[in-house]
Amino acid sequence: AQSVTQLGSHVSVSEGALVLLRCNYSSSVPPYLFWYVQYPNQGLQLLLKYTTGATLVKGINGFEAEFKKSETSFHLTKPSAHMSDAAEYFCAVRWSGTASKLTFGTGTRLQVML
Amino acid sequence: GAVVSQHPSRVICKSGTSVKIECRSLDFQATTMFWYRQFPKQSLMLMATSNEGSKATYEQGVEKDKFLINHASLTLSTLTVTSAHPEDSSFYICSATGLDGYTFGSGTRLTVV
Repeated sequence: AQSVTQLGSHVSVSEGALVLLRCNYSSSVPPYLFWYVQYPNQGLQLLLKYTTGATLVKGINGFEAEFKKSETSFHLTKPSAHMSDAAEYFCAVRWSGTASKLTFGTGTRLQVML
Repeated sequence: GAVVSQHPSRVICKSGTSVKIECRSLDFQATTMFWYRQFPKQSLMLMATSNEGSKATYEQGVEKDKFLINHASLTLSTLTVTSAHPEDSSFYICSATGLDGYTFGSGTRLTVV
């Protein structure tokens, strides 16, 4: 069955440290992949997406993600965390052949400490 | 960029009443609108997909008579929670697809008392 998994419901990093949020999918056909950020009581903002082409995708706010087909992964990284990065992050997929529906992972709450 | 305006941002209603939530695409035509529900500290669960001028497609387990979705124009979709009960209290988010991809509304916090 198709699924999207985010490892770690909570991730805590120090300000200035590397941010790594994990996302894996389960599908024989690579889906379109997205990362969104959500601040409290707000909607979702797109950080970046992968559809086709270059597997290293750069997004807003210094985030990037790399699509690795062999590992069925799309991990989100940022070299240096900032306090303003503290939020909920969702990995989402659009499976092939499912019109335009998005399926979301369970989310990872990023905490940034001084 | 594309903007989806969602109103109200917060609403408190009495049990048994109905509440309408609106989502408008401000500067693009939204051929498809999605409605999600999000419980505290949980992910987004898709409730239904609506295309302009046609009936919404509901996900399994979502009561279509309780959550009425109307997508009468390319810029407006509404979700009406009918005969609301405390268990309907949640955060509801809409999303529209356009040339920029998916654009999300800012969400509506519904509290049923």
